[in-house]
Amino acid sequence: KNEVEQSPQNLTAQEGEFITINCSYSVGISALHWLQQHPGGGIVSLFMLSSGKKKHGRLIATINIQEKHSSLHITASHPRDSAVYICAVDSGGSNYKLTFGKGTLLTVNP
Amino acid sequence: DVKVTQSSRYLVKRTGEKVFLECVQDMDHENMFWYRQDPGLGLRLIYFSYDVKMKEKGDIPEGYSVSREKKERFSLILESASTNQTSMYLCASSPGVKGNQPQHFGDGTRLSIL
Repeated sequence: KNEVEQSPQNLTAQEGEFITINCSYSVGISALHWLQQHPGGGIVSLFMLSSGKKKHGRLIATINIQEKHSSLHITASHPRDSAVYICAVDSGGSNYKLTFGKGTLLTVNP
Repeated sequence: DVKVTQSSRYLVKRTGEKVFLECVQDMDHENMFWYRQDPGLGLRLIYFSYDVKMKEKGDIPEGYSVSREKKERFSLILESASTNQTSMYLCASSPGVKGNQPQHFGDGTRLSIL
């Protein structure tokens, strides 16, 4: 079973700061997902990646397959970025199951 | 746009009651999932289904059952609710095609068992 570790667990930043959230996993994967959950809200998928880097607006996700590590970066952070960010991995196979990290609670203060 | 709808945002039930949580998706997805989310534990898979009438146990199936009679609907059943089943329940769906696909989540049901 894949183990997924996220760091930090909690992160507080000032508006405008550059944010990095890290995710490490223990065994090989076919894809890694970054998800966002606003307080009281549902979960939305931000990125799915299996190599390299993806960018969407102020969000950038990178993955290093050899090191079994991924990072989610937020540039020019804003209070509306305050949410829980969750890393999840797909270890492959035909059952489409994901293994989730415990999440990182990000608070961006104005 | 993709839509996964859970029947209730908040639900309060009593110990011993039979509880039904309903989930409907409008994307013709083959795969559907039920998770529970607890502070400090993250998301844990209860059951998933990869086709109508097909189901597989996830990591924490004890005390739960599921039903998938139609492709768009996946129901989670608490046969005899207990206080330790108080939690946030999230439904998700994904296509059954080969290759990696993102899961689409509903807004969640916050269930309290008194």
